[in-house]
Amino acid sequence: GAGVSQSPSNKVTEKGKDVELRCDPISGHTALYWYRQSLGQGLEFLIYFQGNSAPDKSGLPSDRFSAERTGGSVSTLTIQRTQQEDSAVYLCASSSERGLVIGGGYEQYFGPGTRLTVT
Amino acid sequence: KNQVEQSPQSLIILEGKNCTLQCNYTVSPFSNLRWYKQDTGRGPVSLTIMTFSENTKSNGRYTATLDADTKQSSLHITASQLSDSASYICVVSARGNNRLAFGKGNQVVVIP
Repeated sequence: GAGVSQSPSNKVTEKGKDVELRCDPISGHTALYWYRQSLGQGLEFLIYFQGNSAPDKSGLPSDRFSAERTGGSVSTLTIQRTQQEDSAVYLCASSSERGLVIGGGYEQYFGPGTRLTVT
Repeated sequence: KNQVEQSPQSLIILEGKNCTLQCNYTVSPFSNLRWYKQDTGRGPVSLTIMTFSENTKSNGRYTATLDADTKQSSLHITASQLSDSASYICVVSARGNNRLAFGKGNQVVVIP
């Protein structure tokens, strides 16, 4: 079936503008994750949605970052008043309770990412 | 300090040769360790997942090892191909926590 999709694939924006990044998870996956990957850095956890539970927002770097997940499916990551340090690849991943990994945790399937450049 | 450290940061190898990538971690209590391959412009794709009781796992020409006592893992690529050029990311999961700790990746370039 279809994998995780993200749009746009690339986004160039001016400093101070707001941007919205979209993630379509694998159908039926109850969990959705947003990560940020800066050049030369490992993936940085941003936010985690699991079913109808309150999202884990502990990774959001500032109040300029927010995310929503509507209807338990599509998610939008919004960055307000973008700064140059926000330039990175934003990756979305989803997982299913059926993808339980022995030992704990779930197999995460990643989208291709959105490359954000703030000029 | 990052909980997952990988070395070497980057590596250039000739097509057909073997290479080994290293991952050291401090994540505790340990749940499982995963190796992902990330091609340029794409999201990471899982190669192997190992739990505490497993010390080796293969996926084609990729073989991962795990020493949970020393908290070290390696990924061995046999008979490298040009398509192996990618970033290889070591990811460790803590027990009781769905969050993952990511290494910065080993950037591998295979040249003909």
